[in-house]
Amino acid sequence: KNEVEQSPQNLTAQEGEFITINCSYSVGISALHWLQQHPGGGIVSLFMLSSGKKKHGRLIATINIQEKHSSLHITASHPRDSAVYICAVLVGADGLTFGKGTHLIIQP
Amino acid sequence: DAGVIQSPRHEVTEMGQEVTLRCKPISGHNSLFWYRQTMMRGLELLIYFNNNVPIDDSGMPEDRFSAKMPNASFSTLKIQPSEPRDSAVYFCASSLVLMNTEAFFGQGTRLTVV
Repeated sequence: KNEVEQSPQNLTAQEGEFITINCSYSVGISALHWLQQHPGGGIVSLFMLSSGKKKHGRLIATINIQEKHSSLHITASHPRDSAVYICAVLVGADGLTFGKGTHLIIQP
Repeated sequence: DAGVIQSPRHEVTEMGQEVTLRCKPISGHNSLFWYRQTMMRGLELLIYFNNNVPIDDSGMPEDRFSAKMPNASFSTLKIQPSEPRDSAVYFCASSLVLMNTEAFFGQGTRLTVV
């Protein structure tokens, strides 16, 4: 069974700060997803990656397959980035296994 | 496309009643997933379909839960009889090819069983 660990569990930062959220998993995967869940509850897919790095606007996601580790970075953070960020991994063709999420609050 | 559509958004029911949750995936997506989210356990996969066929239902908690996908544009998750511990947010998601492509989530159905 794949274990997915996220850190930190909670993070409060000031607007403009550079944010890093980490995700580690225990077995080999075929893909990793980063999801964002807003206070209203909706879930949005941010990235799906299996190697290297992806960038979308102020968001950057990286993955190191050998180290079984991924990071999500937010540059120039803004209060609207406040949300829960969830890492989820795919092993083979199964469904996703989720981390517990990182609660991020960006204060003005 | 309007995205993944779930109904109802909120459901309050009495213990013992049958509950049916509905999902319309994005047109053209071959895979559909049902997830449950609770405070205690976070997000969990219940069941997923590929090309309307159930592939893995090992996450379905009990025989009280059942899911169907009669066609490519509709799926249901049924709980009969419902219990208070079934209270959770149930999400439906769809993707082009299993989860090797980007996943699109519905807004979820918040179920409360009293």
